[in-house]
Amino acid sequence: TQLLEQSPQFLSIQEGENLTVYCNSSSVFSSLQWYRQEPGEGPVLLVTVVTGGEVKKLKRLTFQFGDARKDSSLHITAAQPGDTGLYLCAGAGSGAGSYQLTFGKGTKLSVIP
Amino acid sequence: EAEVAQSPRYKITEKSQAVAFWCDPISGHATLYWYRQILGQGPELLVQFQDESVVDDSQLPKDRFSAERLKGVDSTLKIQPAELGDSAMYLCASSLIRALTGELFFGEGSRLTVL
Repeated sequence: TQLLEQSPQFLSIQEGENLTVYCNSSSVFSSLQWYRQEPGEGPVLLVTVVTGGEVKKLKRLTFQFGDARKDSSLHITAAQPGDTGLYLCAGAGSGAGSYQLTFGKGTKLSVIP
Repeated sequence: EAEVAQSPRYKITEKSQAVAFWCDPISGHATLYWYRQILGQGPELLVQFQDESVVDDSQLPKDRFSAERLKGVDSTLKIQPAELGDSAMYLCASSLIRALTGELFFGEGSRLTVL
């Protein structure tokens, strides 16, 4: 079983602050995805990283895939209340011969105005 | 914009009763997933279909859970009998391709409360 550990589990910050959340595993993943989930809704894909060392930017969000493809980070610059939500990382690997995503437990972010 | 449809959004039932959830994936998406998400945690895969075939149900508690996708389009997840520990959000997702970079599109989920 491929496990993903996310940290911190909870994060409460003031609007305008910067933050980084982490996603770590002892397993190598073919790719890694980050999703954001708002209360009462399903997760929505933010980004997919595929290559070790890859960095992707999405407005104020910067995603990095570790060189060994075992870990990833999400950095948010100047957080806004609209960034509030549950951030989930998900690693793609093969299980039962098919494409599967294994999710971490998530980081619950609260941005206080 | 195409969406994954799920129903019901909310279900309250007593333990030992039967419950069923329905999912209609995005048109053309061959792969369909059912995930269970306990409050405050990440989604856990229950079952994965490729067209009408189950490709992975290793985490599905088969003594009480069943899932089908008879015509390879919509799908039903059933729990009988429901137990207190089944209270969770049940998420359906679909994807167009089985590639390792494929995006999963999630529905809004069905929240189950077992009393």
